Amino acid sequence: RKEVEQDPGPFNVPEGATVAFNCTYSNSASQSFFWYRQDCRKEPKLLMSVYSSGNEDGRFTAQLNRASQYISLLIRDSKLSDSATYLCVVKNYNQGGKLIFGQGTELSVKP
Amino acid sequence: NAGVTQTPKFQVLKTGQSMTLQCAQDMNHEYMSWYRQDPGMGLRLIHYSVGAGITDQGEVPNGYNVSRSTTEDFPLRLLSAAPSQTSVYFCASSYSGTGTGRGEGYTFGSGTRLTVV
Repeated sequence: RKEVEQDPGPFNVPEGATVAFNCTYSNSASQSFFWYRQDCRKEPKLLMSVYSSGNEDGRFTAQLNRASQYISLLIRDSKLSDSATYLCVVKNYNQGGKLIFGQGTELSVKP
Repeated sequence: NAGVTQTPKFQVLKTGQSMTLQCAQDMNHEYMSWYRQDPGMGLRLIHYSVGAGITDQGEVPNGYNVSRSTTEDFPLRLLSAAPSQTSVYFCASSYSGTGTGRGEGYTFGSGTRLTVV
């Protein structure tokens, strides 16, 4: 079993749609959680950290459930520019701060 | 701030050649890592470092060496290039942090696209 697993893609949605990505992690010692965005042939870029209390950044909302080892990302009012691959990432401080990436979920927002 | 700088951006090697991929960061980050990304495989950790003089192996370390003599630099050496090492390589760095996640995400370089023929 992969340490971080994400919904398989691709997700094809119309502009304005709400889309949700899910992610589970297997290592209960994982301590920090992030969503990254990666555009085609570019480097991953940090979208947002994920906190236990949940957090929001504009149209993006992230949730963390440590008991279920589950992370989610909700994108409201999708824009064409949201088309990218979204990566669920965990950081283990007791393993030298290693980042473990999910496989990524591809999102395509259509006009 | 330049952030994380990787050189070269593109490289073609012949099988058996060696080379060093350079990575430098100017953010005084303690943690640095090297990843490779292949189609359908996601990002896989090659080697990582928690500070100058300290390195450790990641998920796919075979065929690669690293050293961390300074906080700023973390070069990745390919000892004898093989076609299986054709990939996109990313270097990344972050603060060690306290585990809250705040301000502790990694910053990535723009990548090195390596082809081994």
